[in-house]
Amino acid sequence: DAGITQSPRHKVTETGTPVTLRCHQTENHRYMYWYRQDPGHGLRLIHYSYGVKDTDKGEVSDGYSVSRSKTEDFLLTLESATSSQTSVYFCAISPASGGLNEKLFFGSGTQLSVL
Amino acid sequence: DQQVKQNSPSLSVQEGRISILNCDYTNSMFDYFLWYKKYPAEGPTFLISISSIKDKNEDGRFTVFLNKSAKHLSLHIVPSQPGDSAVYFCAASAGNQFYFGTGTSLTVIP
Repeated sequence: DAGITQSPRHKVTETGTPVTLRCHQTENHRYMYWYRQDPGHGLRLIHYSYGVKDTDKGEVSDGYSVSRSKTEDFLLTLESATSSQTSVYFCAISPASGGLNEKLFFGSGTQLSVL
Repeated sequence: DQQVKQNSPSLSVQEGRISILNCDYTNSMFDYFLWYKKYPAEGPTFLISISSIKDKNEDGRFTVFLNKSAKHLSLHIVPSQPGDSAVYFCAASAGNQFYFGTGTSLTVIP
């Protein structure tokens, strides 16, 4: 199993509060991704990173920001959580060549509930 | 716009029979396709993949077929086993971005 740890595993928060989810990897992979999984939508890309301090937006980036200050850590921040951001969030990593016939390895997910 | 589509939300198959899961895509720039399997409360795990230069890839009980002209791929599981019951996601990539379908929930009936 790829060494990916997501924290927290579960979180309940209130609308309007900031939330940060953490993804930590021990594989030294270059690419890291944040996805959200929702019924009827599958897995949708929020943001991804191709190196330290190098990030880009995905399909559903509104309301989210990310940071990557170290190779091993990729943080996803909801500046002001809304109920529409209730979801399961998955971090994924990919080896150095990033997407050239490489596969994604996923973490176990974070269940976030915004009340 | 959903670039990768799985039109069957669910599928039930008898143990020992063939399971066929389908996936369609719209972007002709996709050059690599993957299938992931997901159990409840776990992250998706890689199952099998295929490059756009091939039309078939086999790994044990799992075979993926790619029809580029129809922009269609399928996953065949033979024989199906109860442990195969899970949600299956197809994915497509172009460069460093991966796009996923909505998933098909497979139930294999003993």
